[in-house]
Formats: sequence, structure tokens, C-alpha cells
Amino acid sequence: EPEVTQTPSHQVTQMGQEVILRCVPISNHLYFYWYRQILGQKVEFLVSFYNNEISEKSEIFDDQFSVERPDGSNFTLKIRSTKLEDSAMYFCASTGSNTEAFFGQGTRLTVV
Amino acid sequence: AQKITQTQPGMFVQEKEAVTLDCTYDTSDPSYGLFWYKQPSSGEMIFLIYQGSYDQQNATEGRYSLNFQKARKSANLVISASQLGDSAMYFCAMRETHSSASKIIFGSGTRLSIRP
Repeated sequence: EPEVTQTPSHQVTQMGQEVILRCVPISNHLYFYWYRQILGQKVEFLVSFYNNEISEKSEIFDDQFSVERPDGSNFTLKIRSTKLEDSAMYFCASTGSNTEAFFGQGTRLTVV
Repeated sequence: AQKITQTQPGMFVQEKEAVTLDCTYDTSDPSYGLFWYKQPSSGEMIFLIYQGSYDQQNATEGRYSLNFQKARKSANLVISASQLGDSAMYFCAMRETHSSASKIIFGSGTRLSIRP
């Protein structure tokens, strides 16, 4: 069964460092998303991406964040200068139609 | 604006019993989809079931069924014959489907614990 793959599964980084979270969406999907879940809290939308550009972004997705689809398979989320409050689980999702939306297993980011 | 409400922060159920997890939603878009996801303690988000706003029948997937009451704007998840492995966080989510790029928004979740 096709799946969304995220790497790494865990990342620990120092405050102020840049991190890149990687995702390989399902191959025939066209729409990609990043979400964030601070421990024990709600799943929050960050950004959606289609046709090599951002479709929509939330207030959380400020200038510190960027997304890219550098090749035909990867979809990345970059956090330029991490803060302690960026510690969270980050999920990538992809959809091919309105009736399905699959999430990756998540990357747990810890900023120290 | 679209909104998802899950009013049960936690539930305890005896193994083998059926359980209903509540979800209500609000949207002004006549075309939308409703999702349920399971998040076990390992953290991944597992897709369970989908219901479209124009679907005539309630969605079912194995032991999962969605009790869709459009007039009441509710989309409760029913798990039949609960198992210990069903213990997890469950999220109801919605997406307005006027655009395929529309984001999915999540409720606050219900933590389900199955007692042996």
C-alpha cells in the first residue's frame, strides 16, 4: 500500500539552528501539506502546496518557515532559525483526491 | 469559517463493547469531507474512514462506521467490538472540497482507553 514517508523520525537541534524536515508523498498525489502537533495538543495546519507553489499558509507559517519540492519526489519543510517553541511533531500529508488524505509517520523535532 | 468540535476529551470502554466518539462540525460550504484518524502512542496519524457531504450512505470500513447526520452537522465514529489495540487518540477532521488544495482542519481529539 502506498504511504507517505518522513525523515528523520526524530531530530534534536540547538536553538537558532536550521532544520530541514523531509517528506516523500505518495507518487501520484498532487497536493501536499505540513502540519504541526505540539505535544498533547491539537494538530495545526501550517501550509499547503500545489503546482510548485504555496496554496495557503497559516499564521504559524511565518518567515522562519519555507517549503520546497526540490525534485519530483521530495517535499521539504525548512525552519531557518529554530526556537524552543518549534519543538513539536511535524506531519507531512498528501492527497490525490478529495476522498483521501494520508499522513506520514511524523518527525519529532526537539529544540534545546 | 470551518470548525470541528470534539467534546469528549477522554473515554473508557470495556473490551468488546461498541463505542461512539462524538464530532460536530460547522461550515458554510455545501461540499465538504469528513475524516477520522487514529493516533496511537507511537505518534503516527492513521486514516480510518471518510464521509463526503453528498454521500447518501454512511461510510463503513471494517469495525469502523461513521454516523453522519447532516442536518445536525454531526459525524460520530462508531467502533464495534472494541479491542485493546483501539486505545489511542482519535481525531475528527474536515475539509471543504471547493478546492482540492483545501486544508484539513482537526478537532481537539478524544483519548479512548479500552479496559480488558
